[in-house]
Amino acid sequence: TQTVSQSDAHVTVFEGDSVELRCNYSYGGSIYLSWYIQHHGRGLQFLLKYYSGNPVVQGVNGFEAEFSKSDSSFHLRKASVHWSDSAVYFCAARSTGGADRLTFGKGTQLIIQP
Amino acid sequence: EAAVTQSPRNKVAVTGGKVTLSCNQTNNHNNMYWYRQDTGHGLRLIHYSYGAGSTEKGDIPDGYKASRPSQENFSLILELATPSQTSVYFCASGDIWGGVEQFFGPGTRLTVL
Repeated sequence: TQTVSQSDAHVTVFEGDSVELRCNYSYGGSIYLSWYIQHHGRGLQFLLKYYSGNPVVQGVNGFEAEFSKSDSSFHLRKASVHWSDSAVYFCAARSTGGADRLTFGKGTQLIIQP
Repeated sequence: EAAVTQSPRNKVAVTGGKVTLSCNQTNNHNNMYWYRQDTGHGLRLIHYSYGAGSTEKGDIPDGYKASRPSQENFSLILELATPSQTSVYFCASGDIWGGVEQFFGPGTRLTVL
């Protein structure tokens, strides 16, 4: 069974702080990994993806994520958060050899305090 | 700009009634997806499609049918709606990297009484 786990349902930080949102996966073989953001009442928006090469990938609005095969992880980071980063963040994965479909984690709500 | 639209945006249905949720995309993507989002479950895939005339079962297809009559349109059909199908439904399209990058619609909030 392929799974994507986001261990933190909520993360609270102050504006200007750095943040790391955690994602772990359980897949056999090669996978694609991605992160999405969902602002309240909206659909999801793609942030970034990883397949191979440099394990650190850059996304929009200063987000980056780092892939670790040894830890089966793909954590999302931002050096200095803004109040507009308040949202729910979803990690997603798909097997490179499988169907064109994603498996999503349950999401992490990022709360930015002023 | 890529665009995925859904209709209706809100729907109240009665138990046992038929509900059709519609999705239209102007991205010219082959792949389209239907998800439901519930607190504590994240997004779960109901059905997806690789192109006109194609439908595939996702992780939770029971109680749902899908129809893809054209490249642009993908419908989700609840033949006999139940209260357990009360949820927010999202449609998405995406071909890039085999569906890794998907474009989502704004969602439909369905309440089944």
